[in-house]
Formats: sequence, C-alpha cells, structure tokens
Amino acid sequence: EAQVTQNPRYLITVTGKKLTVTCSQNMNHEYMSWYRQDPGLGLRQIYYSMNVEVTDKGDVPEGYKVSRKEKRNFPLILESPSPNQTSLYFCASSPQVNQETQYFGPGTRLLVL
Amino acid sequence: AQKVTQAQTEISVVEKEDVTLDCVYETRDTTYYLFWYKQPPSGELVFLIRRNSFDEQNEISGRYSWNFQKSTSSFNFTITASQVVDSAVYFCALSEAGSRDDKIIFGKGTRLHILP
Repeated sequence: EAQVTQNPRYLITVTGKKLTVTCSQNMNHEYMSWYRQDPGLGLRQIYYSMNVEVTDKGDVPEGYKVSRKEKRNFPLILESPSPNQTSLYFCASSPQVNQETQYFGPGTRLLVL
Repeated sequence: AQKVTQAQTEISVVEKEDVTLDCVYETRDTTYYLFWYKQPPSGELVFLIRRNSFDEQNEISGRYSWNFQKSTSSFNFTITASQVVDSAVYFCALSEAGSRDDKIIFGKGTRLHILP
C-alpha cells in the first residue's frame, strides 16, 4: 500500500531536549516536505526536498533541520525544541513538486513543555 | 511573492444547501498550480484537486465543483447539496512552477460546518 508514515504520532517533550520525527514514503517520490499546522495559521511549509541531498527552506524553517540521505526518508530534527514549536506536523511526498497527488502522512502532534 | 487568502474562517450551512468556499491567490508567475485539500475531523489531509494556470476549465466531480478565474485570481470551491460528511477544514494551496523556489503555500483554511 502506497503511504507516508510518520513516527511518533504523539510526543511530549521538554524544552531543549533534541528530538527527531521520522518520515518515510514507499512510492519512490522525489519531492518530500514538512509542514506545521497551527490554529488560525493553516499549514506552513518548514522544509522541502527535491531529491536526495537536495533540501531547501520553506516559510518557517527556524529551529528545524532536515536531511535527505535516502530517497524514502526525510526526518525532521528539532535540535533544541521550544514551546512555540508545539504544533501538529505533517510530512508529505509527491513524484515532483507540482504533481497531481501529494500524499500526506497521518501527522505528529508535538507538545513542548 | 506568492500568497493564498481564504477570507472565510468558518462557515455553517444547513444540510442540502449549496456552499462556496473562496480562495484568492497572488503570484507573479505565469505558470502555477492551485490545489484544494480537505481535512476532516479525523485529521488527515485529503487531496481534492489540482489545476494548472493554463487550464481555466471549470471542473465538476460529483457534488464538488471548482471555478478557476485568472482575471480575478480566484479558485473557488462549491459543494452542491451539502452533507454532514462534508464538515471539515478545507485548504487552498498554490505552487509556482516557474520560480526558483519549489514551495507550496497554503491558505489558512475554511472550517465548514454542515448542520443536520
């Protein structure tokens, strides 16, 4: 089954404790992306990747890092999480950036205390 | 710079009524793509439609229809004979094909309540 998986689905952590949210897709897609969703702000793109070893900043990259060492994986790294990074995070993939179908993961709800 | 505006934060209609969700976009590119996504209460994001800037034909899919008008930079979404299952948050999004960036910009979403 074609899908995007994210782990963990729920995470509570404390300020400053490094964490990684994994994202994996099994569709051999080139384009992968991370978004955060906050009430009243909609979805905002954090980082995206056009292909392996090619990543670029979205609209809200501060406080986040990503890597794309393999085509299927696109982890989101919070080196020193802060409470303002409490949010719902979505990973997505598509064959190319403007392809018809962008597949979204189920979301990761993060609470930073 | 690209921008997507969904001016309607929240809409409530009674079941079986028609409802239109507005989406206005800004872009300097002549080649771009517009999307609509649905986020039901369960939280997942569901792709509904993509339209490229060279295709101004309106699209109909069952009770859903989309009206793309480049003259007004709008890509509105209409649900005909709404049903309770249509209750969700709907997002409009824009991607510029010609820019160096490959960002996708989402609007803030419209929360739609269909009342039984």
